[in-house]
Amino acid sequence: AQSVAQPEDQVNVAEGNPLTVKCTYSVSGNPYLFWYVQYPNRGLQFLLKYITGDNLVKGSYGFEAEFNKSQTSFHLKKPSALVSDSALYFCAVRDGKDSNYQLIWGAGTKLIIKP
Amino acid sequence: GAVVSQHPSWVICKSGTSVKIECRSLDFQATTMFWYRQFPKQSLMLMATSNEGSKATYEQGVEKDKFLINHASLTLSTLTVTSAHPEDSSFYICSASLRQGTDTQYFGPGTRLTVL
Repeated sequence: AQSVAQPEDQVNVAEGNPLTVKCTYSVSGNPYLFWYVQYPNRGLQFLLKYITGDNLVKGSYGFEAEFNKSQTSFHLKKPSALVSDSALYFCAVRDGKDSNYQLIWGAGTKLIIKP
Repeated sequence: GAVVSQHPSWVICKSGTSVKIECRSLDFQATTMFWYRQFPKQSLMLMATSNEGSKATYEQGVEKDKFLINHASLTLSTLTVTSAHPEDSSFYICSASLRQGTDTQYFGPGTRLTVL
């Protein structure tokens, strides 16, 4: 069965420090992986995705994520956190063989950046 | 580009009434639209997948007669919550994919439904 795990409900990081939000997945076929961010009282925004190619994917707002096939992980990273990065982050995966294009969602990780 | 709107953003209704929520792709044609429900401090729960011109595919446990979905055009999908009850109070979010074969979903800002 397809699944996504975000093991941390909340991550606290001091401003200026690097941040990592963890995501692991399980799919039967090739994974298509996504990160979305939800700011308070706003809709979900697409950050980045991995379909194929380079394992390191760069996205919006300085975020990047590394696809690791052996560890079935797709952790979200940023070298230097900003207070404005505080939000709810969702990891999602789709099985590349799924013709319905449905995403399986993680539970979300609340990221808090402290000044 | 790739902007999705929802209307209304917030609605309060009496128990037993029906509420229609619109989802529009403003600057692109969306072959596929998705409807989600989000409970406080929880992840998204996919309710149904809607392809233009065909019947929606509902997820297990979602009542298709209660949550009516119509995707009549490539830019508009509607979700109607029929005979709403307080337990239907939630945050409803739609998303749209640009075209088949493109995986990125673009999300609307959501609709907060409160049923009294």
